[in-house]
Amino acid sequence: DAGVIQSPRHEVTEMGQEVTLRCKPISGHDYLFWYRQTMMRGLELLIYFNNNVPIDDSGMPEDRFSAKMPNASFSTLKIQPSEPRDSAVYFCASSTRLATGGDTQYFGPGTRLTVL
Amino acid sequence: AQSVTQPDIHITVSEGASLELRCNYSYGATPYLFWYVQSPGQGLQLLLKYFSGDTLVQGIKGFEAEFKRSQSSFNLRKPSVHWSDAAEYFCAVGGPGNNRKLIWGLGTSLAVNP
Repeated sequence: DAGVIQSPRHEVTEMGQEVTLRCKPISGHDYLFWYRQTMMRGLELLIYFNNNVPIDDSGMPEDRFSAKMPNASFSTLKIQPSEPRDSAVYFCASSTRLATGGDTQYFGPGTRLTVL
Repeated sequence: AQSVTQPDIHITVSEGASLELRCNYSYGATPYLFWYVQSPGQGLQLLLKYFSGDTLVQGIKGFEAEFKRSQSSFNLRKPSVHWSDAAEYFCAVGGPGNNRKLIWGLGTSLAVNP
């Protein structure tokens, strides 16, 4: 499998613009996670899906952020309007539920977002 | 409250030296414990995990970790560090049940001197 695929790898935009980040999870995985990583706050879980349904979005910072998963092979994270403080690396990860527990999350390479 | 503490923000070791990275957790249920590594500009990769059984777990790249319930710790070790081990290391904890969230530490940055 190709692993988790994210696009774009780098995004530079101006404040106020809409940003859309994309993720393709590993085929057969039924959980998908969106994380944000910054120096100040480390790795933060924004939202996660199970079978395309959002389960926990308590980490989404504010209404400017939204995430969708229209099918099992695609998810988007949208920021509208973007602000400089949104600059971070955004990771997507996927996993499948194990009967034994201890599901492993597989991470994509990340999207480095810079908002000017 | 659920939390993961990695007390060392940054560690420098010499190539060939032994390594131990500390991880302490606070979790109400039986914990599942993970160590991930992040190389510069890359995503996170699983090194090893514990969810039951033998408390000493072996991982990739020669790493191992020991779960000590009495100390709420899951320290990562490697007997001889290679220059390619320079990276950021993250400890995480999760649990059984329907909640698939992991609680993450802030990471330990490892530098390796030649």
